[in-house]
Amino acid sequence: ILNVEQSPQSLHVQEGDSTNFTCSFPSSNFYALHWYRWETAKSPEALFVMTLNGDEKKKGRISATLNTKEGYSYLYIKGSQPEDSATYLCASCTSGTYKYIFGTGTRLKVLA
Amino acid sequence: ETGVTQTPRHLVMGMTNKKSLKCEQHLGHNAMYWYKQSAKKPLELMFVYSLEERVENNSVPSRFSPECPNSSHLFLHLHTLQPEDSALYLCASSQEVPGARGTGELFFGEGSRLTVL
Repeated sequence: ILNVEQSPQSLHVQEGDSTNFTCSFPSSNFYALHWYRWETAKSPEALFVMTLNGDEKKKGRISATLNTKEGYSYLYIKGSQPEDSATYLCASCTSGTYKYIFGTGTRLKVLA
Repeated sequence: ETGVTQTPRHLVMGMTNKKSLKCEQHLGHNAMYWYKQSAKKPLELMFVYSLEERVENNSVPSRFSPECPNSSHLFLHLHTLQPEDSALYLCASSQEVPGARGTGELFFGEGSRLTVL
């Protein structure tokens, strides 16, 4: 994988459902991975910064895992709420560069 | 006072105009970035500055000219743009660039929506 890829592109879930998204990134020379939440008409806000293989991070109902050897990260949302509706972005950084490369994002809509 | 402030929020310009986008960060960060968000595309890195020195120019056309007079301010000067340059331009900052003891998150402004006629 040369680019950062996210799936699915968009997702509609019912309030209370749990959901997860995938971020795939180049595994060679991995340096760091970020997850961001971007609500409409606002600025992207960081959720997690992950650097170590096997990292698991949690913030409230949202958690993330990291596998640097195979180049993927999962973001999980437990018991989705309407306020979770946003675009979720991941960004990967490779050693020796100054670049955080973003995926196209997963747009989540939680229906009340 | 928000951490990263961008002005103007909206800008409409003709292809022969010269305009500038401004970004200011109040977080004491040493790294600043310009990203471009076009429809249906991922955030595209344009420029990276570390302590006022440009460290990354991601093959951006010369009609975009960045300026970083100090670690708190970043400008993007626009000249002879094309309609395909219409996009949301996001400024971000971080404590350090990656590798310089930095793996920390990016703090974004709300963006400047540019329309080129």
